[in-house]
Amino acid sequence: DQQVKQNSPSLSVQEGRISILNCDYTNSMFDYFLWYKKYPAEGPTFLISISSIKDKNEDGRFTVFLNKSAKHLSLHIVPSQPGDSAVYFCAASAGGNKLVFGAGTILRVKS
Amino acid sequence: GAGVSQSPRYKVAKRGQDVALRCDPISGHVSLFWYQQALGQGPEFLTYFQNEAQLDKSGLPSDRFFAERPEGSVSTLKIQRTQQEDSAVYLCASSLALSYEQYFGPGTRLTVT
Repeated sequence: DQQVKQNSPSLSVQEGRISILNCDYTNSMFDYFLWYKKYPAEGPTFLISISSIKDKNEDGRFTVFLNKSAKHLSLHIVPSQPGDSAVYFCAASAGGNKLVFGAGTILRVKS
Repeated sequence: GAGVSQSPRYKVAKRGQDVALRCDPISGHVSLFWYQQALGQGPEFLTYFQNEAQLDKSGLPSDRFFAERPEGSVSTLKIQRTQQEDSAVYLCASSLALSYEQYFGPGTRLTVT
């Protein structure tokens, strides 16, 4: 029973264009959502987060959008850079303890 | 400042052996988490400590898995009688009290042969 789903295993984007990574969830008790970025042989690195009381959070080139009615969130990266190439994980929390992760999306930014 | 560190980074064990994986969290972080990540999957929760108290161990897959954090800082995840299905990357994360944001270590890749 996957509570957090990232349906696109991979995404390829040209440098300078927008990257959009998507995530769907099923558990309506989730009240906080996070995006992590992971390079090979390293642990996940926190990128950006959003509380369920908001619908948008921005940090530099990264913006996360939350649509609670659709149980959907997305991460936008503008403009995309080759250094953004990594695996991106969506994660959700209900009450501030354990994180529930999606399976990840591999982003490749071509120069 | 120093991030979360884990040791060893790689461990090869023969089936049936016991292993111990160590995690040093960020100084001052009261919460500590262990996750298991299989190849091609996202991390899956194993257990959670607040200081030395183990508040949630619902993700531990069997009674062969045991975790401790006796002084509220360093934590050890022990796997007894390892099986091939235990092969995975074991990630440790820590966070401040009342914070959702967890900071991960580099992980220990366990291979059971």
